Amino acid sequence: DAMVIQNPRYQVTQFGKPVTLSCSQTLNHNVMYWYQQKSSQAPKLLFHYYDKDFNNEADTPDNFQSRRPNTSFCFLDIRSPGLGDAAMYLCATSGPGQGPETQYFGPGTRLLVL
Amino acid sequence: GESVGLHLPTLSVQEGDNSIINCAYSNSASDYFIWYKQESGKGPQFIIDIRSNMDKRQGQRVTVLLNKTVKHLSLQIAATQPGDSAVYFCAENIRNTGKLIFGQGTTLQVKP
Repeated sequence: DAMVIQNPRYQVTQFGKPVTLSCSQTLNHNVMYWYQQKSSQAPKLLFHYYDKDFNNEADTPDNFQSRRPNTSFCFLDIRSPGLGDAAMYLCATSGPGQGPETQYFGPGTRLLVL
Repeated sequence: GESVGLHLPTLSVQEGDNSIINCAYSNSASDYFIWYKQESGKGPQFIIDIRSNMDKRQGQRVTVLLNKTVKHLSLQIAATQPGDSAVYFCAENIRNTGKLIFGQGTTLQVKP
């Protein structure tokens, strides 16, 4: 089945140690999003790629970076994780044929910072 | 400011009853709305959507109503089941941005 895949599902890192979360999709969607979701809150958009064009949200900290080497894969890099970065990180995609606004989410990666 | 909000943080219903989850939005430029269901530890799951040129849309056991006059959106779940227990988010798309703004979520608890 076509889907959005996130690995790993759980990630533990140390304070200040760089960490990379990955997302892949088999939907062939041209837009990919990264969200941060903290407990009991709504998802918060960090940035998104429209094809290869990177779009950063104004309030996304510089500590968060992203890479999209091809259509199928997108990575979230946290350069120096702080305790406040512990959260669920959600990847989503959208694309032609589904209505460009409809976003489909992966299962998320829960990040724990020690 | 522009936001999408939900009226009640928690809704508790008896199994078999109908559920109604409400959402208010403030951006008149929003042209598309989505309801998502999020179970504990999982990503949001698409339930149903509606475009701004519609007032009502029905799916399997779910109906979304849109009242543009008062900027109100609701999700109705018929014959609520224990598997419907989750957090429900409404989200609005701001025209021509490709981005969704999420409401704060309503937790639906289904009592057996």
